[in-house]
Amino acid sequence: DAGVIQSPRHEVTEMGQEVTLRCKPISGHDYLFWYRQTMMRGLELLIYFNNNVPIDDSGMPEDRFSAKMPNASFSTLKIQPSEPRDSAVYFCASTAEDRENEKLFFGSGTQLSVL
Amino acid sequence: AQTVTQSQPEMSVQEAETVTLSCTYDTSESDYYLFWYKQPPSRQMILVIRQEAYKQQNATENRFSVNFQKAAKSFSLKISDSQLGDAAMYFCASNNAGNMLTFGGGTRLMVKP
Repeated sequence: DAGVIQSPRHEVTEMGQEVTLRCKPISGHDYLFWYRQTMMRGLELLIYFNNNVPIDDSGMPEDRFSAKMPNASFSTLKIQPSEPRDSAVYFCASTAEDRENEKLFFGSGTQLSVL
Repeated sequence: AQTVTQSQPEMSVQEAETVTLSCTYDTSESDYYLFWYKQPPSRQMILVIRQEAYKQQNATENRFSVNFQKAAKSFSLKISDSQLGDAAMYFCASNNAGNMLTFGGGTRLMVKP
């Protein structure tokens, strides 16, 4: 398996623009997580899905952020409109409901810069 | 809510020496897992080691081992025979039955040649 795949790897945009981050989880994984990493706040869980259904979105900072998972192999995180304080590395991660081998696999992240 | 605390923002070790990174956590769960992740400059999050809370035996993975003190809610990582490639950010994390990981603030490990 190619692992968790995120795109783009880098995104530079201007304030007010819409940004869409994409994630393909590992095949067979039924949990998908979006994390944000900043120097000030470290790694924060934004939202997670189980079997394509959003379970906990309490970490989503505000209504400008939205996430979808239309099928088991694809998820998006959208920011509209983007602001400079959204600049961060956004990670997608996935895992399976397997208590014997519980591990979270991360993508390579998307470095977002909002100017 | 779970919290994970790493009290050492930075640590330094001489190549071939041993270093221990500290981590404490707080959880009300009885069934949980603890993890150490490594993040090199490439920013890829790499799982180093994992510990099941119900297992008393400390996990080991080659040069990496943990000291798990459940009553004290302490989960330290020991790196033996440190190598230059071990230089990275290290994150301690815990989860619960919901598979959500809560991360500590990280420790930057520098390895001196």
